[in-house]
Amino acid sequence: SQTIHQWPATLVQPVGSPLSLECTVEGTSNPNLYWYRQAAGRGLQLLFYSVGIGQISSEVPQNLSASRPQDRQFILSSKKLLLSDSGFYLCAWAGQGKAEQYFGPGTRLTVT
Amino acid sequence: AQSVAQPEDQVNVAEGNPLTVKCTYSVSGNPYLFWYVQYPNRGLQFLLKYITGDNLVKGSYGFEAEFNKSQTSFHLKKPSALVSDSALYFCAVEPSGTYKYIFGTGTRLKVLA
Repeated sequence: SQTIHQWPATLVQPVGSPLSLECTVEGTSNPNLYWYRQAAGRGLQLLFYSVGIGQISSEVPQNLSASRPQDRQFILSSKKLLLSDSGFYLCAWAGQGKAEQYFGPGTRLTVT
Repeated sequence: AQSVAQPEDQVNVAEGNPLTVKCTYSVSGNPYLFWYVQYPNRGLQFLLKYITGDNLVKGSYGFEAEFNKSQTSFHLKKPSALVSDSALYFCAVEPSGTYKYIFGTGTRLKVLA
Protein backbone atom coordinates (compact mmCIF):
# COMPACT_ATOMS: atom_id res chain seq x y z
CA SER A 1 0.00 0.00 0.00
CA GLN A 2 1.01 3.59 -0.48
CA THR A 3 2.06 5.93 2.29
CA ILE A 4 3.09 9.55 2.36
CA HIS A 5 5.45 11.08 4.89
CA GLN A 6 6.14 14.67 5.78
CA TRP A 7 8.73 16.06 8.12
CA PRO A 8 9.19 17.77 10.33
CA ALA A 9 5.74 17.72 11.93
CA THR A 10 6.25 21.13 13.52
CA LEU A 11 8.79 23.85 12.98
CA VAL A 12 9.43 27.25 14.54
CA GLN A 13 11.78 29.45 12.56
CA PRO A 14 12.84 33.10 12.83
CA VAL A 15 12.12 35.58 10.08
CA GLY A 16 14.89 35.58 7.49
CA SER A 17 15.97 31.99 8.10
CA PRO A 18 15.90 29.31 5.38
CA LEU A 19 13.31 26.55 5.11
CA SER A 20 13.29 23.00 3.87
CA LEU A 21 10.23 20.76 4.18
CA GLU A 22 10.35 17.26 2.84
CA CYS A 23 7.69 14.94 1.51
CA THR A 24 8.20 11.36 0.40
CA VAL A 25 5.79 8.79 -1.00
CA GLU A 26 6.17 5.02 -0.77
CA GLY A 27 4.53 2.25 -2.69
CA THR A 28 3.92 3.96 -6.02
CA SER A 29 5.88 5.17 -9.02
CA ASN A 30 5.79 8.43 -10.95
CA PRO A 31 3.10 10.07 -8.84
CA ASN A 32 1.85 13.59 -9.32
CA LEU A 33 2.96 15.56 -6.26
CA TYR A 34 1.49 18.69 -4.71
CA TRP A 35 2.31 21.27 -2.04
CA TYR A 36 -0.54 23.16 -0.37
CA ARG A 37 -0.66 25.76 2.35
CA GLN A 38 -3.57 26.00 4.73
CA ALA A 39 -3.90 29.26 6.60
CA ALA A 40 -6.00 29.84 9.70
CA GLY A 41 -7.34 26.28 9.71
CA ARG A 42 -9.43 26.73 6.61
CA GLY A 43 -8.78 27.35 2.96
CA LEU A 44 -6.20 25.36 1.03
CA GLN A 45 -3.99 27.09 -1.46
CA LEU A 46 -2.12 25.07 -4.09
CA LEU A 47 1.50 26.25 -4.12
CA PHE A 48 3.30 23.84 -6.48
CA TYR A 49 2.65 20.65 -8.36
CA SER A 50 4.88 18.24 -10.21
CA VAL A 51 4.15 15.57 -12.81
CA GLY A 52 7.70 14.22 -12.91
CA ILE A 53 11.30 14.61 -11.76
CA GLY A 54 12.47 18.15 -12.28
CA GLN A 55 9.07 19.28 -13.53
CA ILE A 56 7.62 21.90 -11.19
CA SER A 57 4.69 24.22 -11.80
CA SER A 58 4.21 27.19 -9.53
CA GLU A 59 0.68 28.31 -8.88
CA VAL A 60 1.26 31.42 -6.82
CA PRO A 61 4.26 33.75 -7.02
CA GLN A 62 5.77 33.99 -3.57
CA ASN A 63 8.73 33.49 -1.31
CA LEU A 64 8.81 29.72 -1.74
CA SER A 65 10.23 27.25 -4.23
CA ALA A 66 9.86 23.51 -4.78
CA SER A 67 12.07 20.79 -6.14
CA ARG A 68 11.66 17.14 -7.02
CA PRO A 69 15.10 15.57 -6.97
CA GLN A 70 13.77 11.99 -7.00
CA ASP A 71 10.61 10.37 -8.29
CA ARG A 72 8.92 10.15 -4.90
CA GLN A 73 10.50 13.10 -3.12
CA PHE A 74 9.14 16.63 -3.09
CA ILE A 75 10.84 19.46 -1.23
CA LEU A 76 9.51 22.89 -0.34
CA SER A 77 12.13 25.56 0.31
CA SER A 78 12.68 29.18 1.07
CA LYS A 79 15.86 31.20 1.28
CA LYS A 80 14.43 33.75 3.71
CA LEU A 81 11.22 33.18 5.61
CA LEU A 82 8.61 35.88 6.08
CA LEU A 83 6.05 36.12 8.86
CA SER A 84 3.37 35.51 6.25
CA ASP A 85 4.88 32.10 5.47
CA SER A 86 3.44 30.73 8.71
CA GLY A 87 0.82 28.06 8.17
CA PHE A 88 0.07 24.37 7.83
CA TYR A 89 1.83 22.85 4.85
CA LEU A 90 0.37 19.77 3.24
CA CYS A 91 1.90 17.50 0.66
CA ALA A 92 -0.29 15.27 -1.50
CA TRP A 93 0.15 12.66 -4.19
CA ALA A 94 -2.00 11.22 -6.94
CA GLY A 95 -1.41 8.20 -9.14
CA GLN A 96 -0.79 8.81 -12.81
CA GLY A 97 -4.12 9.09 -14.55
CA LYS A 98 -5.96 9.00 -11.23
CA ALA A 99 -8.03 11.89 -10.01
CA GLU A 100 -8.02 11.58 -6.21
CA GLN A 101 -5.20 13.02 -4.17
CA TYR A 102 -3.93 11.59 -0.89
CA PHE A 103 -2.57 13.90 1.72
CA GLY A 104 0.29 13.68 4.15
CA PRO A 105 0.01 14.53 7.85
CA GLY A 106 1.24 18.10 7.35
CA THR A 107 3.90 20.40 8.80
CA ARG A 108 2.94 23.25 11.11
CA LEU A 109 5.33 26.15 10.40
CA THR A 110 5.47 29.15 12.70
CA VAL A 111 7.68 32.04 11.67
CA THR A 112 8.57 34.30 14.59
CA ALA B 1 -13.46 32.39 -12.86
CA GLN B 2 -13.90 28.83 -11.69
CA SER B 3 -14.95 28.43 -8.11
CA VAL B 4 -16.29 26.08 -5.45
CA ALA B 5 -18.69 27.29 -2.77
CA GLN B 6 -19.46 25.77 0.60
CA PRO B 7 -22.12 28.20 1.77
CA GLU B 8 -22.17 27.12 5.41
CA ASP B 9 -19.25 27.87 7.69
CA GLN B 10 -20.64 25.51 10.29
CA VAL B 11 -23.33 22.87 10.43
CA ASN B 12 -24.69 21.61 13.74
CA VAL B 13 -26.63 18.37 13.92
CA ALA B 14 -27.77 16.10 16.73
CA GLU B 15 -26.27 12.65 16.97
CA GLY B 16 -28.39 10.12 15.14
CA ASN B 17 -29.95 12.70 12.83
CA PRO B 18 -29.17 12.88 9.13
CA LEU B 19 -26.60 15.41 8.03
CA THR B 20 -26.01 17.36 4.83
CA VAL B 21 -22.99 19.50 3.98
CA LYS B 22 -23.51 21.57 0.86
CA CYS B 23 -21.21 22.21 -2.07
CA THR B 24 -21.86 23.99 -5.36
CA TYR B 25 -19.39 24.72 -8.11
CA SER B 26 -18.87 26.88 -11.13
CA VAL B 27 -16.51 24.94 -13.38
CA SER B 28 -16.81 24.40 -17.10
CA GLY B 29 -17.06 21.00 -18.69
CA ASN B 30 -17.46 17.79 -16.72
CA PRO B 31 -15.31 18.16 -13.62
CA TYR B 32 -14.40 15.49 -11.12
CA LEU B 33 -15.82 16.07 -7.65
CA PHE B 34 -14.45 15.08 -4.25
CA TRP B 35 -15.09 15.27 -0.53
CA TYR B 36 -12.38 15.25 2.12
CA VAL B 37 -12.47 15.36 5.93
CA GLN B 38 -9.87 16.97 8.17
CA TYR B 39 -9.44 16.40 11.88
CA PRO B 40 -7.52 18.98 13.96
CA ASN B 41 -3.84 19.28 13.03
CA ARG B 42 -4.10 16.40 10.57
CA GLY B 43 -3.97 16.00 6.82
CA LEU B 44 -7.05 15.62 4.68
CA GLN B 45 -8.63 12.20 4.36
CA PHE B 46 -10.33 11.21 1.12
CA LEU B 47 -14.02 10.34 1.58
CA LEU B 48 -15.44 9.89 -1.90
CA LYS B 49 -15.40 11.03 -5.50
CA TYR B 50 -17.67 11.43 -8.48
CA ILE B 51 -16.23 10.94 -11.93
CA THR B 52 -19.15 9.66 -13.96
CA GLY B 53 -22.09 7.31 -13.64
CA ASP B 54 -24.64 7.01 -10.83
CA ASN B 55 -25.45 10.36 -9.26
CA LEU B 56 -25.34 8.91 -5.75
CA VAL B 57 -21.81 8.04 -4.69
CA LYS B 58 -21.01 6.03 -1.59
CA GLY B 59 -17.79 6.56 0.32
CA SER B 60 -15.97 5.90 3.55
CA TYR B 61 -17.45 5.91 7.08
CA GLY B 62 -21.05 5.74 5.82
CA PHE B 63 -20.89 9.00 3.89
CA GLU B 64 -22.46 9.47 0.49
CA ALA B 65 -22.80 12.37 -1.90
CA GLU B 66 -25.36 13.33 -4.49
CA PHE B 67 -24.30 14.86 -7.76
CA ASN B 68 -26.80 17.18 -9.43
CA LYS B 69 -25.62 18.40 -12.81
CA SER B 70 -28.39 20.94 -13.40
CA GLN B 71 -27.75 22.57 -10.04
CA THR B 72 -23.97 22.05 -10.23
CA SER B 73 -24.05 20.69 -6.71
CA PHE B 74 -22.37 17.84 -4.90
CA HIS B 75 -23.81 17.66 -1.37
CA LEU B 76 -22.34 15.35 1.24
CA LYS B 77 -24.79 13.30 3.28
CA LYS B 78 -24.95 10.74 6.03
CA PRO B 79 -28.16 9.09 7.27
CA SER B 80 -27.19 9.04 10.94
CA ALA B 81 -24.51 11.36 12.34
CA LEU B 82 -21.99 10.32 14.97
CA VAL B 83 -20.18 12.58 17.43
CA SER B 84 -16.95 11.31 15.89
CA ASP B 85 -17.99 12.82 12.54
CA SER B 86 -17.30 16.27 13.98
CA ALA B 87 -14.55 17.69 11.79
CA LEU B 88 -13.82 20.08 8.93
CA TYR B 89 -15.15 18.99 5.54
CA PHE B 90 -13.82 20.16 2.20
CA CYS B 91 -15.37 19.90 -1.21
CA ALA B 92 -12.91 19.87 -4.11
CA VAL B 93 -13.42 20.05 -7.84
CA GLU B 94 -10.94 19.09 -10.51
CA PRO B 95 -11.61 20.58 -13.94
CA SER B 96 -11.36 17.62 -16.25
CA GLY B 97 -7.81 16.76 -17.26
CA THR B 98 -6.08 19.42 -15.15
CA TYR B 99 -5.01 17.21 -12.21
CA LYS B 100 -5.41 20.26 -9.97
CA TYR B 101 -8.09 20.84 -7.36
CA ILE B 102 -10.16 23.88 -6.63
CA PHE B 103 -11.13 23.66 -2.96
CA GLY B 104 -14.10 25.10 -1.18
CA THR B 105 -13.48 27.05 2.00
CA GLY B 106 -14.56 24.19 4.23
CA THR B 107 -17.53 23.52 6.50
CA ARG B 108 -17.12 22.69 10.14
CA LEU B 109 -19.49 19.93 11.17
CA LYS B 110 -20.42 19.69 14.82
CA VAL B 111 -22.40 16.65 15.94
CA LEU B 112 -23.97 17.15 19.33
CA ALA B 113 -24.50 14.26 21.73
